[in-house]
Amino acid sequence: DIQMTQSPFTLSASVGDRVTITCRASQSFSGWLAWYQQKPGKAPKLLIYKASTLESGVPSRFSGSGSGTEFTLTISSLQPDDFATYYCQQYYTYPLTFGGGTKVEIK
Amino acid sequence: QLQLQESGPGLVKPSETLSLTCTVSGGSISSSSYYWGWIRQPPGKGLEWIASIYYSGSTYYNPSLKSRVTTSVDTSKNQFSLKLSSVTAADTAVYYCARLGASIAARRLDYWGQGTLVTVSS
Repeated sequence: DIQMTQSPFTLSASVGDRVTITCRASQSFSGWLAWYQQKPGKAPKLLIYKASTLESGVPSRFSGSGSGTEFTLTISSLQPDDFATYYCQQYYTYPLTFGGGTKVEIK
Repeated sequence: QLQLQESGPGLVKPSETLSLTCTVSGGSISSSSYYWGWIRQPPGKGLEWIASIYYSGSTYYNPSLKSRVTTSVDTSKNQFSLKLSSVTAADTAVYYCARLGASIAARRLDYWGQGTLVTVSS
């Protein structure tokens, strides 16, 4: 199985801040990686796939990058609606695996 | 607009079998382009993929749950189902159904149901 490790576990930030979340894989794979946003009591929402492709309708302040074993999700200017938990997920191979999540909190 | 909706008992006794159904509307479960998946999330914890199934019945299971999981598809009802046997309190979670692409390039989870909480307790 490919283990996905996210950091940090929690991130405190202010509106307008640039925020970066990192996801590291236990083995290298091509960029079949997705990022999801989850708000309390709601299902996860797909933000980015193929490491850097923005899902339709997702604001352009979200971006993804990386390859191999290290991937990042960046929010260029944090908005009030962005306070949530973010998960990475590899879909290169089964079993599909998720990172442990990063909670973005209001500072 | 594609919609997925989970249904099933919210309370299951230890050692019994958890059974859930996902009803798909706004699209056909028989599409050759997609698999249909189950993901769960224990309260306050992260996401765990359980299984994926194709309309033909082809399946992938999480090895950690494989011995207890069965999935099926009913194309006539546009539904797919999950059964998890011999449940314990550790199986208490919100269970989501979702759509994912059939090819590796499309295998992200792009549509999700709202989730249903299943509690294992006597």
